[in-house]
Amino acid sequence: KNQVEQSPQSLIILEGKNCTLQCNYTVSPFSNLRWYKQDTGRGPVSLTIMTFSENTKSNGRYTATLDADTKQSSLHITASQLSDSASYICVVSARFSGGYNKLIFGAGTRLAVHP
Amino acid sequence: DGGITQSPKYLFRKEGQNVTLSCEQNLNHDAMYWYRQDPGQGLRLIYYSQIVNDFQKGDIAEGYSVSREKKESFPLTVTSAQKNPTAFYLCASSTAGPSNQPQHFGDGTRLSIL
Repeated sequence: KNQVEQSPQSLIILEGKNCTLQCNYTVSPFSNLRWYKQDTGRGPVSLTIMTFSENTKSNGRYTATLDADTKQSSLHITASQLSDSASYICVVSARFSGGYNKLIFGAGTRLAVHP
Repeated sequence: DGGITQSPKYLFRKEGQNVTLSCEQNLNHDAMYWYRQDPGQGLRLIYYSQIVNDFQKGDIAEGYSVSREKKESFPLTVTSAQKNPTAFYLCASSTAGPSNQPQHFGDGTRLSIL
């Protein structure tokens, strides 16, 4: 069964600290993995996308890693800011015949950054 | 600025009533999608459309209907057959092609039952 599991479910950190969010998946055939940031009451915004051959992808203070062998990904946030408070969603894409990609969404990690 | 506009932001439905959620995009994207988001769960696909006048059911299409008469518009109707419609509804769009997947999301419509 295609599944995406994220941990922790929620996390509280102090402003300026680093944190790492985890994503484990059992999706096949794997196409790519994307991390989204979703502010409360808003739509998700893409942070990074990685294909099978990519190990690391950065976007400012956000760095995503991918280990396709163990089917794990992480999102590392450096020097957190209050504006980083949001839900972070891991999405894995499975490619099927005809070029259609099916997306499997994780439930997200809710991050709260406190001053 | 290009983007996706969803309206209304909040919507209330009475028993036995159909309601329609609007989704408009000016990104010139061919494909559009509707997702439902419930607390503690990942987004689930309701319907998607890869081209005008064509659409396919997603994983949870029962109780919903869509139309795609224009490239820019993909309205979703929540019918009275949907017994648990309270959720956050997200519309998305993407370019067509081999990497056909949502790239842009709207800011959602929150639907509640009166």
